[in-house]
Amino acid sequence: NAGVTQTPKFRVLKTGQSMTLLCAQDMNHEYMYWYRQDPGMGLRLIHYSVGEGTTAKGEVPDGYNVSRLKKQNFLLGLESAAPSQTSVYFCASSRKSGTALYGYTFGSGTRLTVV
Amino acid sequence: SQQGEEDPQALSIQEGENATMNCSYKTSINNLQWYRQNSGRGLVHLILIRSNEREKHSGRLRVTLDTSKKSSSLLITASRAADTASYFCATDGNTDKLIFGTGTRLQVFP
Repeated sequence: NAGVTQTPKFRVLKTGQSMTLLCAQDMNHEYMYWYRQDPGMGLRLIHYSVGEGTTAKGEVPDGYNVSRLKKQNFLLGLESAAPSQTSVYFCASSRKSGTALYGYTFGSGTRLTVV
Repeated sequence: SQQGEEDPQALSIQEGENATMNCSYKTSINNLQWYRQNSGRGLVHLILIRSNEREKHSGRLRVTLDTSKKSSSLLITASRAADTASYFCATDGNTDKLIFGTGTRLQVFP
């Protein structure tokens, strides 16, 4: 009964370093999403995917890349980390029936600090 | 830009009281959803209301939707200390993704 699993849970990076955040879901969901959450800003969509091999930009995609090589995994990459990318990152997955998007299942988050 | 905006930003009540949170959004939708986030945790889906529905209930939760005013409300009846959390509305804007509001922080005092 894992749902959505994010790794790692915490990470400290130095400016300019790169890293990959992994999101894995076991619910056979087609749709997967990466959001970031900053104080007072709510959740902002970074990138998302509507199926294996697809990706699309969200509201704040700059500085991030994503890949969806397998249906169950959605990777978020930071090529050259900046202090402005200090945030809590959430992955979510969902499915759709016709035009209706179902509720998301969220992971527990990755707290990233860039120094 | 945020699709949904919640009001109030923060709300403090006593156990047993009702809590009402409001959400306004900007574009047409297929559905509107409400989520809860406990401190330091991920968001949990609470309830979904479709654009052709006006009211929906789930346990102590009551959600209303007025598409003519582009607004929704979440009512939590007989609040408990365990209801202390942030609550977010989210809308799909007839797309494949949800856009979240900035949330309402609810504090329920024992």
